[in-house]
Formats: sequence, structure tokens, C-alpha cells
Amino acid sequence: AQSVTQLGSHVSVSEGALVLLRCNYSSSVPPYLFWYVQYPNQGLQLLLKYTSAATLVKGINGFEAEFKKSETSFHLTKPSAHMSDAAEYFCAVSGDTGRRALTFGSGTRLQVQP
Amino acid sequence: EAEVAQSPRYKITEKSQAVAFWCDPISGHATLYWYRQILGQGPELLVQFQDESVVDDSQLPKDRFSAERLKGVDSTLKIQPAELGDSAMYLCASRSGQGNGANVLTFGAGSRLTVL
Repeated sequence: AQSVTQLGSHVSVSEGALVLLRCNYSSSVPPYLFWYVQYPNQGLQLLLKYTSAATLVKGINGFEAEFKKSETSFHLTKPSAHMSDAAEYFCAVSGDTGRRALTFGSGTRLQVQP
Repeated sequence: EAEVAQSPRYKITEKSQAVAFWCDPISGHATLYWYRQILGQGPELLVQFQDESVVDDSQLPKDRFSAERLKGVDSTLKIQPAELGDSAMYLCASRSGQGNGANVLTFGAGSRLTVL
């Protein structure tokens, strides 16, 4: 079974500041890890994915995440926040069992202050 | 860019009524998922299809929920009768299973259900 824990249901940063959203995973098999973003009343959009290749993964809109097996973490970062980054962010895990249904965390709402 | 289509976008119903949601996945995507997202929470898997077959419906409340994908293309999720606790966003997603995007789920915009 797999699970993810997102630390901090709400994160507030100033425009131009570093964004750090935390995700820790639990998986009995090598995990595939994902970050999705959700804007109000919309579906989820893929930001980036880790599928056992490079541990530092770059995604869209300037986001990146680093897979750290020793820490079972996959934190999402962005060097400089923009107002348009305000949204809900979800970390998700999929075990490489062939089924690949995603298990999501509870989400982190990012606020960007002007 | 190919999209997952869902309808209706919004549905308001009274408890004990029947509701249905429709999903048309990206063409060629063999795997289809229905998730439920309660406000303020992450999505939770309800059912997964591989072509027309159910792969996982262990979290689907089968006393009131049903899902089908008769021809292995589009899918319908039904709730009968609806209860107050069913108020949520119902998200459909599909996955190709091939190539660079094999592991990536593409989501539709969702159907928001309000039960009064």
C-alpha cells in the first residue's frame, strides 16, 4: 500500500519568495511520485513526475522537486513565487504494480501575498 | 491538446434523487478512473477501468453507486439515491499506458455535486 503526507494544509509566501511545499511518502515498492495543481473548481493539472530516472525533476511553471529516498520525501519548490501560483497543490504516489492508480495527499493551499 | 470531457460541470439535486455523471477520456486511453474529492481534501479513488473491465472498485459504495464503461470508451457514474454526504467534486481521469505518458493521469474539469 502507498500513502503520502503533505505537511502544512496552508502555506503563505510573499511574491518573489521561495516556495516550499512538503511531501513525504510511504510505499512498499519503488514509488512513482507526482505533483498536481488545482485551481478553484477545476480538475488537476500535472506539474511534474518522478519515475525512477533523475532524482531532481523539473516541471512546468518553474517548479521542481527532488526525490530523496533516504528521507522518503518529494518536496516541491519554486525559487520565486508569482501571484498566479496561488492554488491547491497535491502530492500523489503510485506503486509500480501495473495498476498505477494514484493515491493523493490531503493537499496544500498556497497563498501568494503581494 | 487532448482533454478528458466531463458533464455536467455542476449538478444540484435533492437527497434521495438519482444523479449521473458522464466522462469521455482521451481517445485511445485504455485506463479510466473516477475519483471523489470532498471539499478541502485530496481526491479518493472510487473505481478504475481497464477497457470495459473494472480493475478496482473496492472503495465504491456499491449500495448506491454504480459505474460502467460498456464499450471501453466513455463512462457513466451513477448515484441512487443521493445523500447529503455525497456532495463533492467527481473527477474523471484517463491514462494511456504507453510511451512517455504511460504513468500520467490526465484529469477532466470535474463535476461538482451539491445535494440539498
